[in-house]
Amino acid sequence: QSVLTQPRSVSGSPGQSVTISCTGTSSTIGAYNYVSWYQHHPGKAPKLMIYDVSRRPSGVPDRFSGSKSGNTASLTISGLRAEDEAEYSCCSYAGSHNWVFGGGTELTVL
Amino acid sequence: QVQLQESGPGLVKPSETLSLTCTVSDHSITSGYYWGWIRQPPGKGLEWIGSIYHTGATYYNPSLKSPVTISVDTSKNQFSLKLNSVTAADTAVYYCAKGYPFDYWGQGTLVTVSS
Repeated sequence: QSVLTQPRSVSGSPGQSVTISCTGTSSTIGAYNYVSWYQHHPGKAPKLMIYDVSRRPSGVPDRFSGSKSGNTASLTISGLRAEDEAEYSCCSYAGSHNWVFGGGTELTVL
Repeated sequence: QVQLQESGPGLVKPSETLSLTCTVSDHSITSGYYWGWIRQPPGKGLEWIGSIYHTGATYYNPSLKSPVTISVDTSKNQFSLKLNSVTAADTAVYYCAKGYPFDYWGQGTLVTVSS
């Protein structure tokens, strides 16, 4: 069982927006602004999409955005495209140089 | 563009040691950053195993049941993972990555623990 809780799956139609939640505790997400999100296609290396809660690495479309409220972080993907279909995982700093991940959320583009 | 590549046996027997190496290209390990190992058991989420700083300082996931050692070989621009006394629960795809944030990853290598 993962330390951070994510929904197992979400879905949306092309052009729509979806939000994936990631719930931690006051010792993880609630304590630090070091939340990152990763996109993972089967058989490929995970790709960093968001870091430090809401910062986007260069090359990541601005359709991807991140936020945090209390112990819950969220990844929002707007203007859904077929190529967004993948697994998305959140990660948070947990103190003492430790990192924890969520269980992953499968995004289906209908 | 930093590139990472994992290498090592794909099959390990229970109670033995799992050993993997990550070769880093186009970036010197000694120039900075953390270098880590992350795994994904079949059907489960990602799990951070541990990280090593370019100075050699190491940090490990306190929740891991199997003893872990991460080391760095600056002459080969590689860092390595050793997981002792493995069990079937250690079967996973193992990734090496640069970071936090984990901005560059290897392709991953499947390690199966089975007799």
